[in-house]
Amino acid sequence: KNEVEQSPQNLTAQEGEFITINCSYSVGISALHWLQQHPGGGIVSLFMLSSGKKKHGRLIATINIQEKHSSLHITASHPRDSAVYICAVEPTNTGNQFYFGTGTSLTVIP
Amino acid sequence: SAVISQKPSRDICQRGTSLTIQCQVDSQVTMMFWYRQQPGQSLTLIATANQGSEATYESGFVIDKFPISRPNLTFSTLTVSNMSPEDSSIYLCSAPGTSAEQFFGPGTRLTVL
Repeated sequence: KNEVEQSPQNLTAQEGEFITINCSYSVGISALHWLQQHPGGGIVSLFMLSSGKKKHGRLIATINIQEKHSSLHITASHPRDSAVYICAVEPTNTGNQFYFGTGTSLTVIP
Repeated sequence: SAVISQKPSRDICQRGTSLTIQCQVDSQVTMMFWYRQQPGQSLTLIATANQGSEATYESGFVIDKFPISRPNLTFSTLTVSNMSPEDSSIYLCSAPGTSAEQFFGPGTRLTVL
């Protein structure tokens, strides 16, 4: 059983569409991270959340601690947003160990 | 934010050989982490590298196969020893920033023939 579940696994969108990627987790956490992985393999940290909502440019991340759920939204999607988006959680009382979701592969078509 | 670099960015190696991957952080960090991402899979933590002590390995990973060095607070190496094709993966290091965000290196793409 995976402690972190993401949906959808794959997503294709037209340029300009509003995109939502969901993450559910089953453990108590101190923080949740949204990561972006481009085809070359490098990973960029997009957000770290412990409550509420954060916005950076066209990206918005929300978290509901009670429901153990987070969403990543991309507004006005663009082909350069094509990447794998990974949800990762920091369980409480385990130092810095992460549990990772399997990722959502996003393709934005011009 | 922390900037993390890794070398090499990619390599193709023969079965039975070893490869050492270097990870450099532009600031001092207590903990550094090494991950493996096998094709089509999510990230798996290999070990936590603390400066001045032995690395802590996760279940399924052993020091003989993945020896780690942590000579100072900005640098770590991971060696993949006696490689087999099953070791073909992306290897990433990460470190926490001052605000507890995690920063990742660009990854090392390893192919074992």
